[in-house]
Amino acid sequence: GENVEQHPSTLSVQEGDSAVIKCTYSDSASNYFPWYKQELGKGPQLIIDIRSNVGEKKDQRIAVTLNKTAKHFSLHITETQPEDSAVYFCAAHNTDKLIFGTGTRLQVFP
Amino acid sequence: EAGVAQSPRYKIIEKRQSVAFWCNPISGHATLYWYQQILGQGPKLLIQFQNNGVVDDSQLPKDRFSAERLKGVDSTLKIQPAKLEDSAVYLCASSFGLVQETQYFGPGTRLLVL
Repeated sequence: GENVEQHPSTLSVQEGDSAVIKCTYSDSASNYFPWYKQELGKGPQLIIDIRSNVGEKKDQRIAVTLNKTAKHFSLHITETQPEDSAVYFCAAHNTDKLIFGTGTRLQVFP
Repeated sequence: EAGVAQSPRYKIIEKRQSVAFWCNPISGHATLYWYQQILGQGPKLLIQFQNNGVVDDSQLPKDRFSAERLKGVDSTLKIQPAKLEDSAVYLCASSFGLVQETQYFGPGTRLLVL
């Protein structure tokens, strides 16, 4: 079955700096990769996703890159703000289900 | 557009007791998911419904967990009897279709088993 690894587990950055979170997956059949942001006491919220027919997608300060050959994908947040502080989860969807990574706790210090 | 609704938001029970969670998905979403999220981990799928039929329940501990979606809309997840290791957040999500569709999550029910 699919296995998703996520690094780092915690990330602290200064406001205005960039943050990068990396994930690897094992099942070459996976072709949908969403990223979720989870704030304390709330459910995960989709922030961006990418499908395997593209290598990069951007939405304002957030971008995701996908390398299918290496089976890894990354989330890039530029010009970080304190409200970006949360836990971020990557996920990979193969033919069966969505498998989540273990999460990255991002702290943005003003 | 209203999001996924869940209740209760919090529940504290003693081990061996039973508990039930309720979920109302986004209107028009045919697929409904229940996830278990243990503290410090990502959500893990327990069961997936397409309308009122079960698509995947391979990770549902069927000796104690059950779920139903009788009319293809609302769903309930039950645990009976609860164990200490069932302490977690139970998340409900829904999507329009089945294959690699965006999943929208509810706020979750935080369960503590004492």
